[in-house]
Amino acid sequence: AQTVTQSQPEMSVQEAETVTLSCTYDTSESDYYLFWYKQPPSRQMILVIRQEAYKQQNATENRFSVNFQKAAKSFSLKISDSQLGDAAMYFCAYRSARDGGSQGNLIFGKGTKLSVKP
Amino acid sequence: KAGVTQTPRYLIKTRGQQVTLSCSPISGHRSVSWYQQTPGQGLQFLFEYFSETQRNKGNFPGRFSGRQFSNSRSEMNVSTLELGDSALYLCASSRNPGLVWNEQFFGPGTRLTVL
Repeated sequence: AQTVTQSQPEMSVQEAETVTLSCTYDTSESDYYLFWYKQPPSRQMILVIRQEAYKQQNATENRFSVNFQKAAKSFSLKISDSQLGDAAMYFCAYRSARDGGSQGNLIFGKGTKLSVKP
Repeated sequence: KAGVTQTPRYLIKTRGQQVTLSCSPISGHRSVSWYQQTPGQGLQFLFEYFSETQRNKGNFPGRFSGRQFSNSRSEMNVSTLELGDSALYLCASSRNPGLVWNEQFFGPGTRLTVL
């Protein structure tokens, strides 16, 4: 069974600084998708960034980028120029690409609570 | 375009009761997944429905059940509630599990408290 581990329960960053959230996963599959989700306090979970395992190039979305190390099974999220609105729980998630990606369920890590100091 | 809606937003029940939660997906989305979120266990997959059929099921007891209607709306039911069922129940909708990305859009959740 696949597992996702986020080893940092809480992180803190100064506004405008850069922070990296860690995520490791365990799987025997070769093809899969990885995601970072953001859950602001009392608000809906939204997708931040996604990565296909077969793509070597790291995904980027504006101030958010990932460092995907397939051999090490590591998928960290870097937030540049942190803003107060980035304060939230961040979840790393895995989804199998088996059956053409039809296994819709996401496997989540326990989350990292990010605080942004003004 | 309206997002995923879940009703009710908050619910308080007592042990032994049963509860039904509802999820209306984004228009055009035919797949609905349910997740349970607790401080101790984090986010855990409950089940996934597509075209009124359960496609996948997580490791939860039979007290947890669900269904999907022809308009893609979904309900989940928990019978004989236990204290440990207190959680935030999240619903996520997506277009079609057969699509490569099949991005899931989450609702605001239903906060269930079991006393």
